[in-house]
Amino acid sequence: DTEVTQTPKHLVMGMTNKKSLKCEQHMGHRAMYWYKQKAKKPPELMFVYSYEKLSINESVPSRFSPECPNSSLLNLHLHALQPEDSALYLCASSQIYPDPYEQYFGPGTRLTVT
Amino acid sequence: GENVEQHPSTLSVQEGDSAVIKCTYSDSASNYFPWYKQELGKGPQLIIDIRSNVGEKKDQRIAVTLNKTAKHFSLHITETQPEDSAVYFCAAATDKLIFGTGTRLQVFP
Repeated sequence: DTEVTQTPKHLVMGMTNKKSLKCEQHMGHRAMYWYKQKAKKPPELMFVYSYEKLSINESVPSRFSPECPNSSLLNLHLHALQPEDSALYLCASSQIYPDPYEQYFGPGTRLTVT
Repeated sequence: GENVEQHPSTLSVQEGDSAVIKCTYSDSASNYFPWYKQELGKGPQLIIDIRSNVGEKKDQRIAVTLNKTAKHFSLHITETQPEDSAVYFCAAATDKLIFGTGTRLQVFP
């Protein structure tokens, strides 16, 4: 089973709201990732967690706050977002990091900021 | 840093024909090259990958070739079917995946 699940599927939020995206995998993977994907563009890496510790932050604005409560869960807390943050947010996992093992993606959360 | 170019950006083929998508990369340290298929409204799905110590890999109707000297790799889909229609992304990696710009493949019945 190579399933990564994400909730919610769709999210609409105002610029003053606080919301969270959730991601879960049960493959025993120790690396988890957040990507942002705009329409007709490839995914862009935001954060990498390895063994529940933040390994990479690709200069993401502080209005995005990741959290890895345990090896199976990954959250992305959102606060004071801008309309340009509207995008598909993808979670992925792989066996370990930084060795480039297969990354498996979830279905994504479609975020709209109004 | 790594840069990955992907061509063509769109590709239309008749059902049963073959499709080829090509990518070039810049960082000679890249050692892992996956290909993803993304259907509308879904996340990218890993369809095949190749590591730098291998020149070719095949899985049923799809194959990937790698030329390390020229720094390019290609995806080959044979006997295309309408359900192959999607956006395909190549990527190159040392520690992070760097994606190409994508190819929209349309297979017409």
